[in-house]
Amino acid sequence: SQTIHQWPATLVQPVGSPLSLECTVEGTSNPNLYWYRQAAGRGLQLLFYSVGIGQISSEVPQNLSASRPQDRQFILSSKKLLLSDSGFYLCAWSPGGAGQPQHFGDGTRLSIL
Amino acid sequence: SQKIEQNSEALNIQEGKTATLTCNYTNYSPAYLQWYRQDPGRGPVFLLLIRENEKEKRKERLKVTFDTTLKQSLFHITASQPADSATYLCALAPPNSGYALNFGKGTSLLVTP
Repeated sequence: SQTIHQWPATLVQPVGSPLSLECTVEGTSNPNLYWYRQAAGRGLQLLFYSVGIGQISSEVPQNLSASRPQDRQFILSSKKLLLSDSGFYLCAWSPGGAGQPQHFGDGTRLSIL
Repeated sequence: SQKIEQNSEALNIQEGKTATLTCNYTNYSPAYLQWYRQDPGRGPVFLLLIRENEKEKRKERLKVTFDTTLKQSLFHITASQPADSATYLCALAPPNSGYALNFGKGTSLLVTP
C-alpha cells in the first residue's frame, strides 16, 4: 500500500532563517505531488504541485520554493523565513492524471519567532 | 474570481440524526467535486469523489449529491456518531488545471451523544 511521510512534525524557527521540509511517498510510481499551507482559521492554500521530476508549478508568489529531485521526493524550501510563513504545512500525493483523490501526510506545524 | 463556500458556523447535531453539509461554488465548471474529512492537527482524508454526470454517490453512511445547475454539493452523514465529529472540506479543480485542487474552508461537525 502507499504511504506518505512528512517531517518534522513540528518546527520552531527564527525569522530570517532557512527552511527545508521533506516529503516522501512509498508504494507508487510517478505520483503527482503537492504542498499546501493551512493558516489558523483559514482554508488549505495550494503552494506548489508537481507532475514529474523537475516539474514544479507555483500557485502563490512568495518566498518559498519547491523541488522534486526524485520521483517520490518533494521538498519545500525557503532562504529566509518571514513571520507570515507560520502555519501548518501539508504534503499530498495523487495518482498520475487529472481528477484523482489526494492523500495527505500528517503535516508540519511551523512556528516562526 | 472563483469561490468555494461552506457553512462557516459549526454544525451541532444529536447522535443518530442525519448531518447535511453544503458546498456552494461560483466561477467553476468542475468535472468533479471531492469531499474530505480533517481531524484537528491532522491532514485531510479523502472520502468521496463525484463527477459532473453523477447526481448522487454513496459510500456506507455517506451520501453526496452534485447539482451543476445550482452549483452546489450536499454531503450527508446518516445515523451520525460522535466519531463523525470533524471538519469536512469540499474541493474543486480550478479552471485550466486538472491536477490541483482548491479547497473550501470547511464546516465543523459536532455530533453529541
